[in-house]
Amino acid sequence: QKEVEQDPGPLSVPEGAIVSLNCTYSNSAFQYFMWYRQYSRKGPELLMYTYSSGNKEDGRFTAQVDKSSKYISLFIRDSQPSDSATYLCAMTHSNSGYALNFGKGTSLLVTP
Amino acid sequence: NAGVTQTPKFRVLKTGQSMTLLCAQDMNHEYMYWYRQDPGMGLRLIHYSVGEGTTAKGEVPDGYNVSRLKKQNFLLGLESAAPSQTSVYFCASTLAGGSVGELFFGEGSRLTVL
Repeated sequence: QKEVEQDPGPLSVPEGAIVSLNCTYSNSAFQYFMWYRQYSRKGPELLMYTYSSGNKEDGRFTAQVDKSSKYISLFIRDSQPSDSATYLCAMTHSNSGYALNFGKGTSLLVTP
Repeated sequence: NAGVTQTPKFRVLKTGQSMTLLCAQDMNHEYMYWYRQDPGMGLRLIHYSVGEGTTAKGEVPDGYNVSRLKKQNFLLGLESAAPSQTSVYFCASTLAGGSVGELFFGEGSRLTVL
C-alpha cells in the first residue's frame, strides 16, 4: 500500500462548480502538506502549502489538513476551464531530505 | 533565470543501451531530486541529493545511478536500459529550511526504451 492514496478520477465538473479533491495517508511522520498542479506535458507547480493541521486559503483555493484522520483536502471555488489539470497531493517530513511523497494525482476537467 | 533545465527532452533507446539525463538548476538550491512519472503510478522518487557530493536512494532506485559533482547539476544514469524504464523523468530542486515542500520542477524528459 502506498503511503499516500489519491483517487485518480477523472473528475468532470461544469464551470462555476465547487471542486473537492482529497488524499489520505498512512505515515504519521508527515508534517508538511502540499498540492501541486500539473498541466499536460508540463512539470508540476506548487499550488498550496500547509504545515501541520489547519486550513489555508488563497483566492479561490482552500487547503485543509486533518492530521488526526490523516486526510487532506483541496477545494476550488468558482472553477474555471483554466483549472483543468491534474492535481497532485504531496507530503514530506524532515527525515527524508524533504523528498515529497506524491499521490497518483486527480485529473480534473472543467467544462464551459 | 532558467530555473530547472533537463536535457535531453526526448530520447529513444534500445534495450541494453546506456544514457545519462542531465538536470541543471541556476537557483543555488541545495536539494535536488529525480522522479519518474508513469500512468496510474504518479510521481515516484528515484534518487535525491541534499548537497554537492551526496546522494541517497528513493522509492525506486534499481537500475539507476546518480551523481552530484557540482551543486547546480544532478545526473541520472541508466546503465543498461530496460523497457520498464520507459517513462517521463522529472528533476526538481529546492532550498533547504524554510522552503520545505516548494519544489521547482523541470519540463520533463520523455524516455522510450524499445
